[in-house]
Amino acid sequence: KAGVTQTPRYLIKTRGQQVTLSCSPISGHRSVSWYQQTPGQGLQFLFEYFSETQRNKGNFPGRFSGRQFSNSRSEMNVSTLELGDSALYLCASSLSPGVDGELFFGEGSRLTVL
Amino acid sequence: GNSVTQMEGPVTLSEEAFLTINCTYTATGYPSLFWYVQYPGEGLQLLLKATKADDKGSNKGFEATYRKETTSFHLEKGSVQVSDSAVYFCALPISSGSARQLTFGSGTQLTVLP
Repeated sequence: KAGVTQTPRYLIKTRGQQVTLSCSPISGHRSVSWYQQTPGQGLQFLFEYFSETQRNKGNFPGRFSGRQFSNSRSEMNVSTLELGDSALYLCASSLSPGVDGELFFGEGSRLTVL
Repeated sequence: GNSVTQMEGPVTLSEEAFLTINCTYTATGYPSLFWYVQYPGEGLQLLLKATKADDKGSNKGFEATYRKETTSFHLEKGSVQVSDSAVYFCALPISSGSARQLTFGSGTQLTVLP
């Protein structure tokens, strides 16, 4: 069974640009969550999607957005990039929201903002 | 809301040494507790979990017991191997309305020397 697939794995952007990251969950998983991982802040929850609806959102500015498609694939977008947005962005899938915390993570997309 | 405090790292051990990584939590009720592991260059993987008080989760020689009296979920392994070198995260769900998300500890970097 294929795992969670994230693309691209690495990318470099400059301040002010925008970026779109993609996540394909495990087949049959309908819930997708996104996390930001940085050395200073650790792992922080961004948002969770289920059935194309955002179920919850973490404490991030409106520059961070996401969506989920009917096939459960998800994308997240960061607009007007700042240096502090440099991070590893992790996507995780699960069978459904409320399944008690067992998430399956992808390898992440490492974003560097110059 | 629920939160978790994890032992600061890094931790360096020799092969076959005993490992303990401390984790304490603050929670309403008795949520499930998790340990995730992140190997170099990879996403997070669920290592073990415990779903109720006094439960012991175990996997790959690692163990953790859900202790409500001390609100702890310490990770232990009797004899570590070089291949155990990774970052370990304690986590628990934060219930937020109808959606859930995980909150993670700060992570403990473990290095095992041959």
